[in-house]
Amino acid sequence: NAGVTQTPKFRVLKTGQSMTLLCAQDMNHEYMYWYRQDPGMGLRLIHYSVGEGTTAKGEVPDGYNVSRLKKQNFLLGLESAAPSQTSVYFCASSPRTGTGGSGANVLTFGAGSRLTVL
Amino acid sequence: AQSVTQLDSQVPVFEEAPVELRCNYSSSVSVYLFWYVQYPNQGLQLLLKYLSGSTLVESINGFEAEFNKSQTSFHLRKPSVHISDTAEYFCAVSDPGRRALTFGSGTRLQVQP
Repeated sequence: NAGVTQTPKFRVLKTGQSMTLLCAQDMNHEYMYWYRQDPGMGLRLIHYSVGEGTTAKGEVPDGYNVSRLKKQNFLLGLESAAPSQTSVYFCASSPRTGTGGSGANVLTFGAGSRLTVL
Repeated sequence: AQSVTQLDSQVPVFEEAPVELRCNYSSSVSVYLFWYVQYPNQGLQLLLKYLSGSTLVESINGFEAEFNKSQTSFHLRKPSVHISDTAEYFCAVSDPGRRALTFGSGTRLQVQP
């Protein structure tokens, strides 16, 4: 099993450029997430999805858009990149929470995508 | 809103010494608690979790954490660390109604020979 795969792994952008990060999971998970990781700030939730065709805002959604057209894919877009969006981005997925919480929020992470905006 | 506090940003320790990484959370409801580990240039991996039942949970590589509801803490401990434990450790919290985890700022464990 590949688990959660993120592409690209590295990208350098100029201010104002756009790009899309792709996340793919092969575990048939219902929920998918995009986090950003910055030094001293841990991981902060950008957007998440509880199923195909649905998305919701997280803690730091401004400047990002997402789409979940297929259950296995979750795309993160930057329409006009800014230096403040220089970060490491992590995608994660988890199964639908089961009865009694047995599947509760156990996230599987991808290896990360390092984005630099000049 | 939930929050997680990891007071120690870095913890240097010698090999074979014991270590404790502290985690406190704020939440007014029942919670699920997690510790994730991140090795250099990798994603996060689940180390252990508390969902219900026994307040002491263990991982396969010798770490343990104890859920203390009265102190709203979930500290991570290991009685004897190895060089290979060098990594960043993140505490996370979620309540049963939420779909996502809230993470602490992380603690970098540096094991020295």
